[in-house]
Amino acid sequence: NAGVTQTPKFRILKIGQSMTLQCTQDMNHNYMYWYRQDPGMGLKLIYYSVGAGITDKGEVPNGYNVSRSTTEDFPLRLELAAPSQTSVYFCASTDTGYGNTIYFGEGSWLTVV
Amino acid sequence: GDSVTQMEGPVTLSEEAFLTINCTYTATGYPSLFWYVQYPGEGLQLLLKATKADDKGSNKGFEATYRKETTSFHLEKGSVQVSDSAVYFCALSDASGTYKYIFGTGTRLKVLA
Repeated sequence: NAGVTQTPKFRILKIGQSMTLQCTQDMNHNYMYWYRQDPGMGLKLIYYSVGAGITDKGEVPNGYNVSRSTTEDFPLRLELAAPSQTSVYFCASTDTGYGNTIYFGEGSWLTVV
Repeated sequence: GDSVTQMEGPVTLSEEAFLTINCTYTATGYPSLFWYVQYPGEGLQLLLKATKADDKGSNKGFEATYRKETTSFHLEKGSVQVSDSAVYFCALSDASGTYKYIFGTGTRLKVLA
């Protein structure tokens, strides 16, 4: 009963480093999302995907890249990390259809120093 | 564009008090509406949802009614417990087929014994 799995859970990066946050779901969902949550704030959509091979930008895509080569996986790449990218990152997925629940991973805490 | 506005927190209540967290939305068409809860250090999980006007979502003693005339989806619970302390997010899923989920900024609830 895994659902949406994110790794790593915690990471400290130095300014200018790059890394990939991994996300995989085992529910065969078509739609996947990456959000960031800054302290005391709501969720902001970074990128989303409506199926393998199809991705699109959300509200705050700058500094990030994504790919979707399979239905299950939706990694988020941070290039040239900056302190402004210090945040909690959530991957989520949902199935096609009106009113479906969106399921979240447990989050990845990223600090850029 | 679509948006969700929810009351600012934190909300501090004594155990067994009545809870209301206000949520209003702006959307075209007929969105689905959700309440999610986030416990410390965890991801968001669905609390309840409603997919059409006048529907009432309920779970774990929490209720919310989809009011199209007032574009609201207020969360209520008759008697809160310490274990209800968490951050609550109101969200909508638009009906236009883009499958984007818009979240409010979250309301932190603290229940005192």
